[in-house]
Amino acid sequence: ETGVTQSPTHLIKTRGQQVTLRCSSQSGHNTVSWYQQALGQGPQFIFQYYREEENGRGNFPPRFSGLQFPNYSSELNVNALELDDSALYLCASSRMSGAANEQFFGPGTRLTVL
Amino acid sequence: QQQVKQSPQSLIVQKGGISIINCAYENTAFDYFPWYQQFPGKGPALLIAIRPDVSEKKEGRFTISFNKSAKQFSLHIMDSQPGDSATYFCAASDYGQNFVFGPGTRLSVLP
Repeated sequence: ETGVTQSPTHLIKTRGQQVTLRCSSQSGHNTVSWYQQALGQGPQFIFQYYREEENGRGNFPPRFSGLQFPNYSSELNVNALELDDSALYLCASSRMSGAANEQFFGPGTRLTVL
Repeated sequence: QQQVKQSPQSLIVQKGGISIINCAYENTAFDYFPWYQQFPGKGPALLIAIRPDVSEKKEGRFTISFNKSAKQFSLHIMDSQPGDSATYFCAASDYGQNFVFGPGTRLSVLP
């Protein structure tokens, strides 16, 4: 088990609602990345936060937004939920060291949009 | 150019056999190539990773082979065990940002 935790474990929302997912990074890590994993597919990079700033973004619309806090924990916010947003949302923490860095994943939050 | 291709989609191996999963990439800016193992209901777990300055890395029963000129890399699982049955993802990253994952390979190891 990694030291990355996510909450909640499961969540059910209806189309048009907003959702906030939370992630606590592993001790000593200063970077958090968020991924969306649809059923049967590989994780898709949403964005990365480093020192409380967005440090890279994948091909996701602006209704996907995030925050990183001084303790390096992070939130993922999704507005105007759509049915296709139903997926496992994964958080990964790492230590930005200027070189390639290892990412450690949390268990994920399963979001279902009805 | 950001895509990472992975094959096969599924793989069935007898206990004790060798499991081989292959990946290919296009973006020459990628400089870090990890493999992840994922069990149902869990997040991906880092298995082994390689950088393009070496052609092979071995950790226990897991070996990555890397061919920079062909832009291909593969995972070999020696002496495959039923407990290895999981979905395996290759990934590629440029300078620790923008991790791109392959679509996954579902491995089943028969007892």
